[in-house]
This record gives sequence, C-alpha cells and structure tokens, in this order.
Amino acid sequence: SAVISQKPSRDICQRGTSLTIQCQVDSQVTMMFWYRQQPGQSLTLIATANQGSEATYESGFVIDKFPISRPNLTFSTLTVSNMSPEDSSIYLCSVRGQGLLYGYTFGSGTRLTVV
Amino acid sequence: AQKITQTQPGMFVQEKEAVTLDCTYDTSDPSYGLFWYKQPSSGEMIFLIYQGSYDQQNATEGRYSLNFQKARKSANLVISASQLGDSAMYFCAMREPGGSEKLVFGKGMKLTVNP
Repeated sequence: SAVISQKPSRDICQRGTSLTIQCQVDSQVTMMFWYRQQPGQSLTLIATANQGSEATYESGFVIDKFPISRPNLTFSTLTVSNMSPEDSSIYLCSVRGQGLLYGYTFGSGTRLTVV
Repeated sequence: AQKITQTQPGMFVQEKEAVTLDCTYDTSDPSYGLFWYKQPSSGEMIFLIYQGSYDQQNATEGRYSLNFQKARKSANLVISASQLGDSAMYFCAMREPGGSEKLVFGKGMKLTVNP
C-alpha cells in the first residue's frame, strides 16, 4: 500500500496565524482527501484535493479558510488560515489509488493546537 | 444522505475474548462499500477490513471479520481473541456511491481490552 508522510506531526500556533500541512505519497494516487477530527469527534471531510485544479470543498468548509494545493499526483498541502482555538483538531490526509485495493491509506495526522 | 451509526460509545472486553462492534448504515444506492478503521491513541487511522455491497461472503482479515447483514443494513465488526493492543477507537465508514470516493464516518466507539 502507499506510504504517506504527513508534516508536521503536531504544532502549537498563535491565533490569527496560518499553518500549512504537507502530505507526500510515495506513489502516484488518483484521489487525495483532507479530513478534520475535532477533539473526541469523528472524521469530517474538508475537501477532495484535485490535481491541477481547485479543490472540491464540503459543506461548511471554504477555500479562504482552508486553501488546498495539489501540484502533482503525489503531493498536497492544506493550509489552516487565520486560526482560532476552534481550529484545534487533528488534520489527516488520505489517499486512494491503483494498488490500494479497497482501502484508503491515511497519513499519521497533524495535531494542531491554537492558543 | 448517507449515514453511519455507531451507538456504542464504549465497550470493555477481557483479553482473549471475542467482541462485536456494531455499525448500521443508511443508503438507497445498491452499490456501496463499508470499511472499519482502528485509531489508537497515537492518532493514525489503520484500515482493518472492507465489505462490498455485492460481496457474497462476509469479509475476514485475520482476527477481524465482518458480520454483514444487508437486509438489516448492518456491518458489525467481530474481533476474535482480543489483545491488549486492540484497545483503541474504532470507526465504521461507508464510501459514498457515485464515484466521489468520499468516505463518511460514524462517530466511533472506544474499545478497552482488560488483562
């Protein structure tokens, strides 16, 4: 299965600042997704990262707050902009592609704390 | 809208015993996929098992098996011979039909294996 490197693994940020999270995959994948997991909650899809075009955002998430880039089939970034304490969550990237059979592989996650 | 329900907030099981984690789903589409993931305290999402809606047999992967009852729309995970390392959050998820490849997650449940 694909191996994902997600960075940073954790960070503590000041409110009002932005943080960019990177997701690097060791093979080309067709689909890349970004999820948010608020404390004690389940995973909620933020957006689907599309290669070479704008990401597809889910209801409740907007590009100005969570800009996403996907310049190629192995790399994507998620930026959490103008952060507030409510943005404190685990952010996970996930991929699906040829050779992954049924499963979706997840990155190890980024634990973000906004103070 | 697709929906995944996990009603058990938490369960306790003795080491070496079997345990069943409940999951029900709601979809009107005949083609769908169901997944179970494990999330230890470290935060990563670990793929356990997959069941396709057209699969004739219940899925099995080592100590994990899926009790798939299509008419009842349930996909319960059975863990045989529990181990201390099985203590974690467990999430049931469904792949949305229609080609988006998005996963919708249930709220999860916490399993604690006692020695």
